[in-house]
Amino acid sequence: GQQLNQSPQSMFIQEGEDVSMNCTSSSIFNTWLWYKQEPGEGPVLLIALYKAGELTSNGRLTAQFGITRKDSFLNISASIPSDVGIYFCAGAGGKLIFGQGTELSVKP
Amino acid sequence: DAMVIQNPRYQVTQFGKPVTLSCSQTLNHNVMYWYQQKSSQAPKLLFHYYDKDFNNEADTPDNFQSRRPNTSFCFLDIRSPGLGDAAMYLCATSREGQQSYEQYFGPGTRLTVT
Repeated sequence: GQQLNQSPQSMFIQEGEDVSMNCTSSSIFNTWLWYKQEPGEGPVLLIALYKAGELTSNGRLTAQFGITRKDSFLNISASIPSDVGIYFCAGAGGKLIFGQGTELSVKP
Repeated sequence: DAMVIQNPRYQVTQFGKPVTLSCSQTLNHNVMYWYQQKSSQAPKLLFHYYDKDFNNEADTPDNFQSRRPNTSFCFLDIRSPGLGDAAMYLCATSREGQQSYEQYFGPGTRLTVT
């Protein structure tokens, strides 16, 4: 079946640093999405990407839909403590296929 | 604010004792989903409804059932919970079509099986 490889699995960074994470797949997706999940809560949609090459920002977050349609990345600039959580990529191929998540820890 | 609401947030049940989790939404979305999420894992789709049209995932155990009496409400019934069913259960909603991929999740119900 379709699988997404999300990396890194976890990140420990200092407040103010920039963060980059990505997802790759052997399959083509028509839509890529990025979600954030905080402890004890449901995932929250951050960014949805619908076109290959598309670059979209949401505040300090920027995500890109790879040209090959097999990958996507998410950047967070100038991280703050409330960025802590698990970030999931998801590719849309009939249904949402989720990556395994990147757990982000931010040290004040 | 429009939202997805799940009750209860925490549920404890005994091994083999039926349990029902509920979800309601004020977004007026016609698609509703139930996901199971175990610790440190991605959400796993159990089933979804397009309006009243029920769609089961092939690997969803028969122990899991669902009901959607109207647009706003959806229920997850676990007929005989086992220890392996302890997890966070997430309800989500979306519009249909391409926007069906923009899913809005509730806060989840954490199920403990004793």
